[in-house]
Amino acid sequence: DAEITQSPRHKITETGRQVTLACHQTWNHNNMFWYRQDLGHGLRLIHYSYGVQDTNKGEVSDGYSVSRSNTEDLPLTLESAASSQTSVYFCASGPGTDTQYFGPGTRLTVL
Amino acid sequence: QKEVEQNSGPLSVPEGAIASLNCTYSDRGSQSFFWYRQYSGKSPELIMFIYSNGDKEDGRFTAQLNKASQYVSLLIRDSQPSDSATYLCAVNRDTGKLIFGQGTTLQVKP
Repeated sequence: DAEITQSPRHKITETGRQVTLACHQTWNHNNMFWYRQDLGHGLRLIHYSYGVQDTNKGEVSDGYSVSRSNTEDLPLTLESAASSQTSVYFCASGPGTDTQYFGPGTRLTVL
Repeated sequence: QKEVEQNSGPLSVPEGAIASLNCTYSDRGSQSFFWYRQYSGKSPELIMFIYSNGDKEDGRFTAQLNKASQYVSLLIRDSQPSDSATYLCAVNRDTGKLIFGQGTTLQVKP
């Protein structure tokens, strides 16, 4: 069955380290998204992509980057992790410009 | 004013009752509207979407849209304890990005 996966599911890192969160989907969706979810803020869009080589900044993109070299993957990189980036990160993909299906999430703790 | 507003709850209903979840949005250009269910510690799961004014039914769920009032609702009939979760309203603006409300927590008591 087609699916969307994220790895790792849990990550603990230290301030200043570079961290990459993986997102892989087998639906062949063009659109992929990264969100963070925090208490009091709900889901906030970090970056998104409408296809290979296309990336766009979302609402809270500072300190994050993405690259899209194929249809299946959109890795999210934290260039220099900060405690404020402790959060639950969700990747999502969709066939069009609206419907999105979410991955299981990655819980990131920055100490 | 937040772009998508929901009452955080918790909304508590007895088993078998109708749960009514409400959402308002500020951008009149919004095109499509979504309801996601999120169990504690899990990812959001799409349960309903609606594009046109009126009602859309899917099993025990009914989504209602009133664009003139900028109002979307989700009705859950015959509520079950397994419906206890946080329900997220999301709105698609012309950019194709979803804007999420902060969610309403529903508690269905046996």
